Amino acid sequence: GENVEQHPSTLSVQEGDSAVIKCTYSDSASNYFPWYKQELGKGPQLIIDIRSNVGEKKDQRIAVTLNKTAKHFSLHITETQPEDSAVYFCAASIRGAQKLVFGQGTRLTINP
Amino acid sequence: ETGVTQTPRHLVMGMTNKKSLKCEQHLGHNAMYWYKQSAKKPLELMFVYNFKEQTENNSVPSRFSPECPNSSHLFLHLHTLQPEDSALYLCASSQARTGGYEQYFGPGTRLTVT
Repeated sequence: GENVEQHPSTLSVQEGDSAVIKCTYSDSASNYFPWYKQELGKGPQLIIDIRSNVGEKKDQRIAVTLNKTAKHFSLHITETQPEDSAVYFCAASIRGAQKLVFGQGTRLTINP
Repeated sequence: ETGVTQTPRHLVMGMTNKKSLKCEQHLGHNAMYWYKQSAKKPLELMFVYNFKEQTENNSVPSRFSPECPNSSHLFLHLHTLQPEDSALYLCASSQARTGGYEQYFGPGTRLTVT
């Protein structure tokens, strides 16, 4: 079946450095790729998304890149801050875009 | 954070109990979802409702029974659960349109089955 692989499972970076999380997907028909941030005790929060007709999207310190040929996409966070510490999930749409399949999550820790 | 609300936030129930989880979205969306989030596992889609009609049941055991009386409210009725059903249950909503469906999540209900 369709699946999304996410790496790494844990990531620790120094404050101010950059963090990169990578995902690969299996369904070549996937056309929507959101990223979620989940803080302790909260539900996942949509932070950025990208559709298959673009290769890159940026929102302040967050950017996402998409390589449809290789079927992988990445989240880039620059100038990391302590409040960026959370679990991040990638997802890919399947079967007409409404259904999302999620990666396993990456626990990001920003060290002061 | 207040776009999708869920109650209760925490629930402890015995295996013979019957309880219900409630979700309400204030975003004017027409699709609602139930997900299960267990430790060390990806979010698992359980049910999808579009315009109050169930369009997806992801092989969920019958001890979980969803109900969607209108586009703003979604319930998950629970009965005779097992300890392995302990998890965070998340509700989400979206506005169905072509090209992608941004899903917005509630804070979840932490369920413990004893």
